[in-house]
Amino acid sequence: DQQVKQNSPSLSVQEGRISILNCDYTNSMFDYFLWYKKYPAEGPTFLISISSIKDKNEDGRFTVFLNKSAKHLSLHIVPSQPGDSAVYFCAASVTTGTASKLTFGTGTRLQVTL
Amino acid sequence: GAVVSQHPSRVICKSGTSVKIECRSLDFQATTMFWYRQFPKQSLMLMATSNEGSKATYEQGVEKDKFLINHASLTLSTLTVTSAHPEDSSFYICSASTPAYYKGNTEAFFGQGTRLTVV
Repeated sequence: DQQVKQNSPSLSVQEGRISILNCDYTNSMFDYFLWYKKYPAEGPTFLISISSIKDKNEDGRFTVFLNKSAKHLSLHIVPSQPGDSAVYFCAASVTTGTASKLTFGTGTRLQVTL
Repeated sequence: GAVVSQHPSRVICKSGTSVKIECRSLDFQATTMFWYRQFPKQSLMLMATSNEGSKATYEQGVEKDKFLINHASLTLSTLTVTSAHPEDSSFYICSASTPAYYKGNTEAFFGQGTRLTVV
């Protein structure tokens, strides 16, 4: 049972344009969502997060939008740069204090072309 | 961000032997660490939650006798793959959560991962 889904396994975007990565979840108990960037043979790197009490969080070129009623979140990267090419995972958790037990999506491979 | 160090980054072992992977939080105390496994082109799957000073909590379907987890201190958790077989070949990643007082954030930071190949 995949509780966090990223239905697009890959995405190709031209440099300078917007990249939009989507993520859907089924567990209504999730109240904290994160996006990670991952290169092959490396651990994920944290990008940006959002609490369920918000619908938008912005950090530089990265913005995450949360639509709780639709159980959907998205990551916008503007403008996209070649260095953004990587696999992006969304993750969700239920706040339990200090521990972050994450449920990951299947990932979307972003390719930013020149 | 916080630093989580995982060692080794790559290991090749023979079938039947055991391999130990270390995960250290370098600049904060982690009472809880997590171990994930990633198969090629798939998501990271949580294997177990490592609790300092107590037994690990394993996810359904993960053999606790095969994947031994020890969290002996607030900065170190180890995963030992016992009697390794080729099907255990995978990418193993640990993560540690910073306490709430750490720069005001509670985040999960990941180690660099360990590529295990069993031949």
